[in-house]
Amino acid sequence: GQQLNQSPQSMFIQEGEDVSMNCTSSSIFNTWLWYKQDPGEGPVLLIALYKAGELTSNGRLTAQFGITRKDSFLNISASIPSDVGIYFCAGQLKDNYGQNFVFGPGTRLSVLP
Amino acid sequence: DTGVSQDPRHKITKRGQNVTFRCDPISEHNRLYWYRQTLGQGPEFLTYFQNEAQLEKSRLLSDRFSAERPKGSFSTLEIQRTEQGDSAMYLCASSLVMTGYSYEQYFGPGTRLTVT
Repeated sequence: GQQLNQSPQSMFIQEGEDVSMNCTSSSIFNTWLWYKQDPGEGPVLLIALYKAGELTSNGRLTAQFGITRKDSFLNISASIPSDVGIYFCAGQLKDNYGQNFVFGPGTRLSVLP
Repeated sequence: DTGVSQDPRHKITKRGQNVTFRCDPISEHNRLYWYRQTLGQGPEFLTYFQNEAQLEKSRLLSDRFSAERPKGSFSTLEIQRTEQGDSAMYLCASSLVMTGYSYEQYFGPGTRLTVT
């Protein structure tokens, strides 16, 4: 089946640093969603992307829909302790409008004070 | 709180028992999704409903699993004859789909199932 790869798998950063993570696939996607999940909770939607090349911000978060439609990037600026969690990308396949999303395995972020 | 709600939050059951979970989506949302998530993995799609119609089922949804959304509002997911491999977090999500659409999915807090 279709798979999404996320990198890095995990990262440890100092508070105040910027963070970059990405999501890649061999398939073409028409929508990308980025979520954050805390332990024992459901994923919380951070950013939605609908067009190739689109760059969208949500506070300190910025995400981009890759030009090739096969990847997406999430950046977090000036990290704070509450940014700790697992970040998932989810892609909707090009010919699969309105149906299920495929999720990546996640990037686990730890922020050191 | 008008978000997606799920009940129960936690369920411990013995192998072979049946369990049922409930999901209440955001009220105006016409799509409802069920996912399963195991430790260290992203959510895996199980099935989704457009109003009351179940439109797609994953191969992960074995014959022991059944989902309903009888009036196009809340949904239930039942697992019969539970197995230890069914232990996971079961997540529900909803979205609003219409012409000029928005496909963002909003998740509930999940139901953590432990089969002993």
